[in-house]
Amino acid sequence: EAGVAQSPRYKIIEKRQSVAFWCNPISGHATLYWYQQILGQGPKLLIQFQNNGVVDDSQLPKDRFSAERLKGVDSTLKIQPAKLEDSAVYLCASSLDTLVTITQYFGPGTRLTVL
Amino acid sequence: GDSVTQMEGPVTLSEEAFLTINCTYTATGYPSLFWYVQYPGEGLQLLLKATKADDKGSNKGFEATYRKETTSFHLEKGSVQVSDSAVYFCALSYSGGGADGLTFGKGTHLIIQP
Repeated sequence: EAGVAQSPRYKIIEKRQSVAFWCNPISGHATLYWYQQILGQGPKLLIQFQNNGVVDDSQLPKDRFSAERLKGVDSTLKIQPAKLEDSAVYLCASSLDTLVTITQYFGPGTRLTVL
Repeated sequence: GDSVTQMEGPVTLSEEAFLTINCTYTATGYPSLFWYVQYPGEGLQLLLKATKADDKGSNKGFEATYRKETTSFHLEKGSVQVSDSAVYFCALSYSGGGADGLTFGKGTHLIIQP
C-alpha cells in the first residue's frame, strides 16, 4: 500500500514570496492533516480536513496560510507571503474515518527554508 | 489548552541498557496517548498507543502505560539496540470523530552507542 506522498521535498524561497505544498493521502483515507514542525520542536497541527470540509483550523495563521482539499483527496497548503519564521518542515498525515482511536500516517514532509 | 512535556535530550545510552523516556500531559478531557518515532531520514511513524487509563501499549519491545493519576505515559524498553537511535515524540489526541489532531511534545533524541 502506498504511503502519504508529499512534494516538493525541499523548497528555498525569499521572504515575502509565495509557496505551495502538495499532499496525496493514502487511498481511502477521509481525514487529512497538515502539521508544521519547527526545528527542535514537535509537530503542530495547522488544519484538519474530513473529506473536503475543514474540521479544525484554529491554529492556522489565516492571514498568510491557506489550505484546500477540493475533491476530498489531494490537498494543497499555501503560504503567501512567507516570513522567516515559517522555515520548518510541513508534514501531511492521513487517517481512516472511524469512530475509534485512529492512527495517523505521516508523509516524508516538505522542508521549507525562508531566506 | 492541552500540552505534552517530555524529558529533554539527547539521551545517550549503551547498547542493552534499560530505557525510560518520561512523558507527562495536561488535558481538559480524556485523551488517547501515543508514542511516535522518527528514525534518521525517515518520516514519523506510530510506535504504540493507549486509549484509556491503565491501558498498556507495546510494540518492538517498547512499552508505555497510561497513568491517569499521574498524567503520565512513560516509554520503556528493557534492552536497547543501536537501531533504536531516533527521535521519540509523545502525543495526545481526542478520538471518536471530530477534531482529533495530535498535540506533540518537543521530542527526545535517543542515541544508543555500541
